[in-house]
Amino acid sequence: KNEVEQSPQNLTAQEGEFITINCSYSVGISALHWLQQHPGGGIVSLFMLSSGKKKHGRLIATINIQEKHSSLHITASHPRDSAVYICAVRGSRLTFGEGTQLTVNP
Amino acid sequence: NAGVMQNPRHLVRRRGQEARLRCSPMKGHSHVYWYRQLPEEGLKFMVYLQKENIIDESGMPKERFSAEFPKEGPSILRIQQVVRGDSAAYFCASSPKRLAGGYEQYFGPGTRLTVT
Repeated sequence: KNEVEQSPQNLTAQEGEFITINCSYSVGISALHWLQQHPGGGIVSLFMLSSGKKKHGRLIATINIQEKHSSLHITASHPRDSAVYICAVRGSRLTFGEGTQLTVNP
Repeated sequence: NAGVMQNPRHLVRRRGQEARLRCSPMKGHSHVYWYRQLPEEGLKFMVYLQKENIIDESGMPKERFSAEFPKEGPSILRIQQVVRGDSAAYFCASSPKRLAGGYEQYFGPGTRLTVT
């Protein structure tokens, strides 16, 4: 079993839909990251959080340390949100989930 | 302030050749991390370096792979005698201090290595 599990692996949505991507982990961490990777492109850090909730524009990330679970929400999704979203947990180094491929259709 | 820079962005090597991947961290960052992303797989940690020191190389294959981060110049990930299974995207990231200190990590654009 991977130390970091993401669900779903693939997600297709219609423009405007509310999207949730989940991440569960089994190890002790000091922080959790949500990253975005576009096809053929680099990796952008969206959030780093160790408790509670953070919001940036249409993106919201939450974490429950006791349950070892985090969610990434996208409100009013748009085709430009199409990308791979990666959860990574931080100990002495980053351990990554397999990623969630999100496709938002117009 | 330029971000993390990697070059080349694309590298094609024949089996048996050497591949050298370079990573210039953000200005003021002295900690560098290398990650590999195999086709259709997630990112995997390879090595963590500080200037002139390898801090954690537990993710590096035991043979053919080496990394350095000299006092001057970029960090280098070197792969000797490449094989087709080395084809992947290699990302580096940098931070100003240790991750355990709560510092953000910034990723480079990656080098896509293709072994023919």
